[in-house]
Amino acid sequence: QSALTQPASVSGSPGQSITISCTGTSSDVGGYNYVSWYQQHPGKAPKLMIYDVSKRPSGVSNRFSGSKSGNTASLTISGLQAEDEADYYCCSYAGSSTFVVFGGGTKLTVL
Amino acid sequence: QVQLVQSGAEVKKPGASVKVSCKASGYTFTGYYMHWVRQAPGQGLEWMGWINPNSGGTNYAQKFQGWVTMTRDTSISTAYMELSRLRSDDTAVYYCARGNLIFGVVTALFDYWGQGTLVTVSS
Repeated sequence: QSALTQPASVSGSPGQSITISCTGTSSDVGGYNYVSWYQQHPGKAPKLMIYDVSKRPSGVSNRFSGSKSGNTASLTISGLQAEDEADYYCCSYAGSSTFVVFGGGTKLTVL
Repeated sequence: QVQLVQSGAEVKKPGASVKVSCKASGYTFTGYYMHWVRQAPGQGLEWMGWINPNSGGTNYAQKFQGWVTMTRDTSISTAYMELSRLRSDDTAVYYCARGNLIFGVVTALFDYWGQGTLVTVSS
């Protein structure tokens, strides 16, 4: 059982927007502004999409955005494209003892 | 450009050890933390620990303490992860991933990843 809770799957049609939630506790998501999101295509390594809750690394499309409210972080993908179909994982800093926790992953299907 | 190139797939018997390497290029190896993350077949990501390539200091997830050893060789910009007393449920893809600058705060940031090394544990 993962420390952070994500929906197992979400879907959307091309051009639509979707949001993936990531629920933790006050010891991780709610306690720090250090949430990151990773995209993983089958058989590939994860790719950083969002860090520090809402920052985008250079080269990542501005269709990807992140936010946080209380103990829940969210990843929003606007203007869905076929290439966005992948697994998405959230990750949060959880203090010096535990360090980081991951979500169980969400499979995004572009219909 | 930043690249992390890992060693090839391994097949090990239960009880054996495995050592995976991760060669970094395109940046100052000693300037950034290096993490190890694993992914069992069809499962999610699991953080194992980090090494500070500058000092050699390590921080392991509680689950892996006494069982994993992370080292580095700065002369060849390579990090290593050794897992001992392997069991069948250690079968997974093991990734190295670059973290924060060592002189900053260590957070949940893994900005570049290796291609992964499949370790299969089977009798």
